[in-house]
Amino acid sequence: EDKVVQSPLSLVVHEGDTVTLNCSYEVTNFRSLLWYKQEKKAPTFLFMLTSSGIEKKSGRLSSILDKKELSSILNITATQTGDSAIYLCAVDDFANTGNQFYFGTGTSLTVIP
Amino acid sequence: DGGITQSPKYLFRKEGQNVTLSCEQNLNHDAMYWYRQDPGQGLRLIYYSQIVNDFQKGDIAEGYSVSREKKESFPLTVTSAQKNPTAFYLCASSDRGLYLETQYFGPGTRLLVL
Repeated sequence: EDKVVQSPLSLVVHEGDTVTLNCSYEVTNFRSLLWYKQEKKAPTFLFMLTSSGIEKKSGRLSSILDKKELSSILNITATQTGDSAIYLCAVDDFANTGNQFYFGTGTSLTVIP
Repeated sequence: DGGITQSPKYLFRKEGQNVTLSCEQNLNHDAMYWYRQDPGQGLRLIYYSQIVNDFQKGDIAEGYSVSREKKESFPLTVTSAQKNPTAFYLCASSDRGLYLETQYFGPGTRLLVL
């Protein structure tokens, strides 16, 4: 069973639109939730969230964690074509053998000019 | 320039052949990871290593092997037992710190079967 589920799987929007990407998780020993942007190769780190209700913001991107609902959202305002990418959500689950990161399938965002 | 390097960028494997993917980091990170990414699927963990000379199987370790003889290096061997090796392979490392970890990824190796 998938430990991290992202929705929607894909999204096509026009430049200037605002989008909200969702991530829900179910792990044993939650430590943190991470968002990455993957354009063509390596995922690049966006945010790490550990505390519920505290928004992390970087320019037009923001993210918030809801530990009660076991979920997080990633918002992108005033989208640009350069935002087109796969957005990955990962959860850090601490185990006795060390922590493991579980990834969702990603949301593929396409921004049309 | 600190970072994670993977080589080669593209790798072709013949039937029955073992191939090794290289991953090197100069970030002084303790932990290193190997993931496999298939179209329409998220990253799936193959192996991970928290310290030198120790490593653990991830969710899809069958048909793969690793070693961790040096802190900087975590090579992945795709053996002939892996029947469907065509995928994009990503190596990552993280600094364990006191509590929280952020993973940083290499550029990836795309493996294709001839």
